[in-house]
Amino acid sequence: GPKVLQIPSHQIIDMGQMVTLNCDPVSNHLYFYWYKQILGQQMEFLVNFYNGKVMEKSKLFKDQFSVERPDGSYFTLKIQPTALEDSAVYFCASSLIGGANTLYFGAGTRLSVL
Amino acid sequence: GDSVTQTEGPVTVSESESLIINCTYSATSIAYPNLFWYVRYPGEGLQLLLKVITAGQKGSSRGFEATYNKETTSFHLQKASVQESDSAVYYCALGEGNNNNAPRFGAGTKLSVKP
Repeated sequence: GPKVLQIPSHQIIDMGQMVTLNCDPVSNHLYFYWYKQILGQQMEFLVNFYNGKVMEKSKLFKDQFSVERPDGSYFTLKIQPTALEDSAVYFCASSLIGGANTLYFGAGTRLSVL
Repeated sequence: GDSVTQTEGPVTVSESESLIINCTYSATSIAYPNLFWYVRYPGEGLQLLLKVITAGQKGSSRGFEATYNKETTSFHLQKASVQESDSAVYYCALGEGNNNNAPRFGAGTKLSVKP
């Protein structure tokens, strides 16, 4: 089936530095999502993105977070500056249609902030 | 906001035994949300297992089934006879069915099936 790729699978960074998580979504998809999961906790919604704009974001999507998809390439999540509580697995997803349509997920990027 | 609560894992069962993973939901802005089960196999991303968009209906896939029960606000996942290859993490999710809102997920339930 369609694949979403997340690169890298694990990233280690010092607190206060900037990090960019990359996601290569399914090629004809139009809606893009980021979710965050800390071990043993809910997979929490962060943000969804369509037509170059943030459509919806949660309280977890702090001011230090930003998303973009320049020129139809990678869909990125940037955190600047990082904090210890940003350590988690971040899952990217895409869908052809928004809302309750089927989401296609990447395998996740584990972010460790030291 | 919308939320999903599911069986806390890990869950371990033996091959050919039956399985139930509980899921209950709370939808604050829509009476009848769309309900999903996703599965994540080791090293892979979540993938849709089944979905039901109409209350009272049952969805099924790969021997798994789940019934949308609006009275109990539940969407439990069941399988009569599990296989070792079913070992994975199972996520229950809720969606409002409009383009602007993303689905909300539970914490996932890790299932291990012993041979």
